[in-house]
Formats: sequence, C-alpha cells, structure tokens
Amino acid sequence: DADVTQTPRNRITKTGKRIMLECSQTKGHDRMYWYRQDPGLGLRLIYYSFDVKDINKGEISDGYSVSRQAQAKFSLSLESAIPNQTALYFCATSDPTSGRTDTQYFGPGTRLTVL
Amino acid sequence: GESVGLHLPTLSVQEGDNSIINCAYSNSASDYFIWYKQESGKGPQFIIDIRSNMDKRQGQRVTVLLNKTVKHLSLQIAATQPGDSAVYFCAENSYGGATNKLIFGTGTLLAVQP
Repeated sequence: DADVTQTPRNRITKTGKRIMLECSQTKGHDRMYWYRQDPGLGLRLIYYSFDVKDINKGEISDGYSVSRQAQAKFSLSLESAIPNQTALYFCATSDPTSGRTDTQYFGPGTRLTVL
Repeated sequence: GESVGLHLPTLSVQEGDNSIINCAYSNSASDYFIWYKQESGKGPQFIIDIRSNMDKRQGQRVTVLLNKTVKHLSLQIAATQPGDSAVYFCAENSYGGATNKLIFGTGTLLAVQP
C-alpha cells in the first residue's frame, strides 16, 4: 500500500551495528505499529503507538526501541544488531475512528539481514 | 493463552476451483476478525473482515464465515485465479481494554495450479 512506506527496503548489516528503520504514512492514522515476520511464524508485534505521545511495548520489544517523531512517522531502532534479528519488518497503521475498526494497513516491509 | 492457528499450512488448488482456508482461534472474547493476503515480497493486504455479531460476510469473490460455537473462521475464494496465489493470514482482535492488538495466525500458503 503506497500510503505506508518503509525505508530502506533491504539492509544488510553486521553484528553490533546500530540500525534504524523508518516508516511514513499519508493515511492520517493516529495508530502505528512495528512487526517482525520470521519464516514459518506469524507477525509478532514489537512496539505500537496510539498517538505521538504514546509508546507501548509489544510481545517482543527486547533489543528494539522506537521513536514517534510525528503522526506520520514511526521509526524502529536496533541499538546493537544481532543475527537473530534477521527478519522481515513491517510497519502498519490503523484508525479506530473509521468504519473499519482496528484494521491495520501494512507497508511493503524491510528485509534486514544481520551478519 | 490466546492463539490463532491455521489447520493447513499449504493448500494447492486448480485454477477455477473454489478455495477454502481455515483458521481456529482460542480467545472466545475476540469479536473482530480479519483476513489478510500477503504476496511474495509485499506486506499483508486487507481482504475482508467480520465482527462477531455476524456469521457470514461477502466481498468480491471472497466470503468469510464465522462459527463462534467452535471458534472457527474460514475464507472462501470463488473461482480461484493465479493471482490469488499468496499466503493468507487470519487475525483476531478484542474490543475494549487498554490495548488494540491483532493476533495473527501463522499463515496458509495458497498455490493455484494452472
């Protein structure tokens, strides 16, 4: 969905490096999410934000941090990347005030490889 | 604990046939369900949703059925086309509480044979 963009789309990095993944949206949604996806597993929630002043941990937040710079921007950081953080990362947005309550709209994903 | 699972990890169908993808959920408090489609190299894309006060909802070539008695959700795709080949996820969400989190199943790969 072009309304939710992620950069970079692919990244290869080394163990111990700091990495930032960025997400931008033009949907005007207040709620934003970061997920990771691993082969054979479903999407797992890392962090979520209901508005600019709100940050919440998901089920697998260890080793990650986030920043909600504006309504439209939500960044995910890996302070010191490790190989088991190799995965696909997805950003999503939702607008609970819309008729389609709680439906999340996903970006195209970032493929991160940690060597 | 809460979980959303799929019975069949891979489903292979012939082009033109109907497809049925199943999903079991364990949280009886869940009252909103979504089906997503994920094509290779792309993010999940919303297909159809259903609330727990409904048993059936139809979209374009897709139908979602909800059986709350046995906590089962299914996605039916009519006249399956090659472009339907993808991984399909079900997700559940519970209204109320302090959080708004979707719980995703692991996905079913739908392979459409020409």
